[in-house]
Amino acid sequence: QKEVEQNSGPLSVPEGAIASLNCTYSDRVSQSFFWYRQYSGKSPELIMSIYSNGDKEDGRFTAQLNKASQYVSLLIRDSQPSDSATYLCAVKREPAGNKLTFGGGTRVLVKP
Amino acid sequence: EAGVAQSPRYKIIEKRQSVAFWCNPISGHATLYWYQQILGQGPKLLIQFQNNGVVDDSQLPKDRFSAERLKGVDSTLKIQPAKLEDSAVYLCASSLDRGNEKLFFGSGTQLSVL
Repeated sequence: QKEVEQNSGPLSVPEGAIASLNCTYSDRVSQSFFWYRQYSGKSPELIMSIYSNGDKEDGRFTAQLNKASQYVSLLIRDSQPSDSATYLCAVKREPAGNKLTFGGGTRVLVKP
Repeated sequence: EAGVAQSPRYKIIEKRQSVAFWCNPISGHATLYWYQQILGQGPKLLIQFQNNGVVDDSQLPKDRFSAERLKGVDSTLKIQPAKLEDSAVYLCASSLDRGNEKLFFGSGTQLSVL
């Protein structure tokens, strides 16, 4: 079992719709959760972080965490073509320094 | 603020050859990471430095990979000898310190081993 699992996609979403991405993790001790966006041929950039159960909203992005079920999700509202990218889920376990374990990523395609 | 600098941007070598990648982190960032990202996969941590000391190198194939950060600033990652399966993008990242959550990534070095 992989430590962090994501559906590779592609997730095809019409412009203006909600894109819903899921991530599951295997280590119950994991404490910090992150979503990175990676455009094709570019390096990852952090877009969201979440540490406690529930929802966290930042603009059009909402991260949701459920530690009991060991999953974290990302919602992208009012999806735009510029949101087309691969979204990487990353998990940090303490004590583990600042080591992030990444999932394989979900590719999102927003169609005009 | 200058970002994480990496070079070269691309490298093509034959198997069994050696190659080196260079990274200069954001000024003042104590923690430096090297990740390997194979096409279609997420980044995998190879080695993490805190200043000039190694924090985690558990996934570094030490029989062929080596890395150093002698003065606690820039870093070099070397592969010798390279194998076909080493074809990947090698990403360098830095963060302010070990407990800081936000990693800043460089543009990466795309390595092709033929």
